[in-house]
Amino acid sequence: RKEVEQDPGPFNVPEGATVAFNCTYSNSASQSFFWYRQDCRKEPKLLMSVYSSGNEDGRFTAQLNRASQYISLLIRDSKLSDSATYLCVVNPGYALNFGKGTSLLVTP
Amino acid sequence: DTAVSQTPKYLVTQMGNDKSIKCEQNLGHDTMYWYKQDSKKFLKIMFSYNNKELIINETVPNRFSPKSPDKAHLNLHINSLELGDSAVYFCASSYGTATYNEQFFGPGTRLTVL
Repeated sequence: RKEVEQDPGPFNVPEGATVAFNCTYSNSASQSFFWYRQDCRKEPKLLMSVYSSGNEDGRFTAQLNRASQYISLLIRDSKLSDSATYLCVVNPGYALNFGKGTSLLVTP
Repeated sequence: DTAVSQTPKYLVTQMGNDKSIKCEQNLGHDTMYWYKQDSKKFLKIMFSYNNKELIINETVPNRFSPKSPDKAHLNLHINSLELGDSAVYFCASSYGTATYNEQFFGPGTRLTVL
């Protein structure tokens, strides 16, 4: 079983839509959680950290459920520029473990 | 004013050759990493250095040898290249080794082994 699992998509949504991505992780000792964004043929960049209390950054909301070992990302009012691959990332204490990513395409 | 830079950006070489990839960061970070992203886009840690000391060495063939001459540089040398080494190699850096610290990635080196 992979340490971090995500639905690879692709998710094709119209502009303005709300889209949610889910992720599960296997190591219950994991300490830190993130969503990174990777554009085509580019490097990953931090989108946001994820906290147990949930956190919001503009149109983006991240949630963490430690009991279920589940992380989510909600994007409201999707923009064309949101098209990218979203990587669920977990740090169990020694290195970042990346999911394979969920591909999002926002269409006009 | 690039934060994490890698050279070369593209590397095409024959099987059996030896090649190096260089990484430099100007962020003042003390921890640097090498990741490999294979053709299935799966990004996996290879090595991590903190203050020039190796702290993570995942199950990577010993044909791969990282070297950190100082805190701002982490190079990757690969001996006897194989077809399966074809991938994008990303260097990254962070301030310290705390799990909550953001890692900043370089633009990647796309290695193709023929």
